[in-house]
Amino acid sequence: AQSVTQLDSQVPVFEEAPVELRCNYSSSVSVYLFWYVQYPNQGLQLLLKYLSGSTLVKGINGFEAEFNKSQTSFHLRKPSVHISDTAEYFCAVRNYGGSQGNLIFGKGTKLSVKP
Amino acid sequence: DAGVTQSPTHLIKTRGQHVTLRCSPISGHKSVSWYQQVLGQGPQFIFQYYEKEERGRGNFPDRFSARQFPNYSSELNVNALLLGDSALYLCASSLELYTGELFFGEGSRLTVL
Repeated sequence: AQSVTQLDSQVPVFEEAPVELRCNYSSSVSVYLFWYVQYPNQGLQLLLKYLSGSTLVKGINGFEAEFNKSQTSFHLRKPSVHISDTAEYFCAVRNYGGSQGNLIFGKGTKLSVKP
Repeated sequence: DAGVTQSPTHLIKTRGQHVTLRCSPISGHKSVSWYQQVLGQGPQFIFQYYEKEERGRGNFPDRFSARQFPNYSSELNVNALLLGDSALYLCASSLELYTGELFFGEGSRLTVL
């Protein structure tokens, strides 16, 4: 069975500082990987995805993530955060060849950006 | 263009009651998925429908059911509500079953008393 572990439930950081949100996954088959962001009282928005090709993936709002197959990780990074990045971030996986709608999510990491 | 729309946005029910949640996908999207997000947890997959057929089911009891209509909108039904069913129910749509980005609605927040 697949699973996703987000190692930090909360990450406080000062504005303009770099941030890394960690994600590890477990799967016996090849997977696609995703990061979603959820602002308060809103649904989920796709930040970026890894399907194949380059292991460094760039997304919206200046975020990027690196797929590391040997370490089964897909950590999310941003070199300089803004107050507006305060939100909850979810890492998700789905089976290679699995349907688009069936994602396995981690428990989320709350990013709190302080002035 | 309208995104994924869900109704109602908030509702309160008592234990043992039944609830119906509704979802309208983005125009042209044929696939609809339902997720349950309990407070403090990530979303958990409940169902996926494509072209009115169930194409995936998560680990939820038979009290949960869903259907998709010819216009691709969908309903999620939950019978015999339990306190533990209190959650944000998210609907997501995608263009096709295996391709296309998954777009989420803002959810229906269900409170069971």
